[in-house]
Amino acid sequence: DAKTTQPNSMESNEEEPVHLPCNHSTISGTDYIHWYRQLPSQGPEYVIHGLTSNVNNRMASLAIAEDRKSSTLILHRATLRDAAVYYCILSANNAGNMLTFGGGTRLMVKP
Amino acid sequence: NAGVTQTPKFRILKIGQSMTLQCTQDMNHNYMYWYRQDPGMGLKLIYYSVGAGITDKGEVPNGYNVSRSTTEDFPLRLELAAPSQTSVYFCATTGLAGTGELFFGEGSRLTVL
Repeated sequence: DAKTTQPNSMESNEEEPVHLPCNHSTISGTDYIHWYRQLPSQGPEYVIHGLTSNVNNRMASLAIAEDRKSSTLILHRATLRDAAVYYCILSANNAGNMLTFGGGTRLMVKP
Repeated sequence: NAGVTQTPKFRILKIGQSMTLQCTQDMNHNYMYWYRQDPGMGLKLIYYSVGAGITDKGEVPNGYNVSRSTTEDFPLRLELAAPSQTSVYFCATTGLAGTGELFFGEGSRLTVL
């Protein structure tokens, strides 16, 4: 299975943009890139996913490198509520969808 | 819609006891999953199901069993509880394998003493 590499932790100031990087150099052509986040004492929550093109939704933007070996989750204006562990995950487009969660990046937001 | 409901939220077991963690979804999704999360770690897949009557092992299935008799329910059974099974258990579901959003329950915190 293709793996991802993320920094263990990052800090951000409130109301500033945050760029969370993810490396996935062994990604295959059919792997989707997913981002989930987990707030303290809660289950993971879907953020965004994409295949090749950059994606935007109400929560965040996903920028995917042209060679797809890395991606960046962009939170446009961090709030205190965005403090969470962010997981970058790859999944193949087949039955089962076994998402493998690594350690993720713990984002701390300072007021 | 309740989404994904897990019960109980908390449970303390003695070594060797058995119990079942319940998971019910009202989203009419085919795919359901059980994950466990140890303190400070990511989630590990225990078992998954692609539809009623079909289950398969994930990364860490030892010590657990599952069944999927209906689309809605996916219970996880611990037969002989061990301290190593102390963890938070999450049930999840999706309607689209590989590309769909996973919806998680709130988790069940299990302590084995």
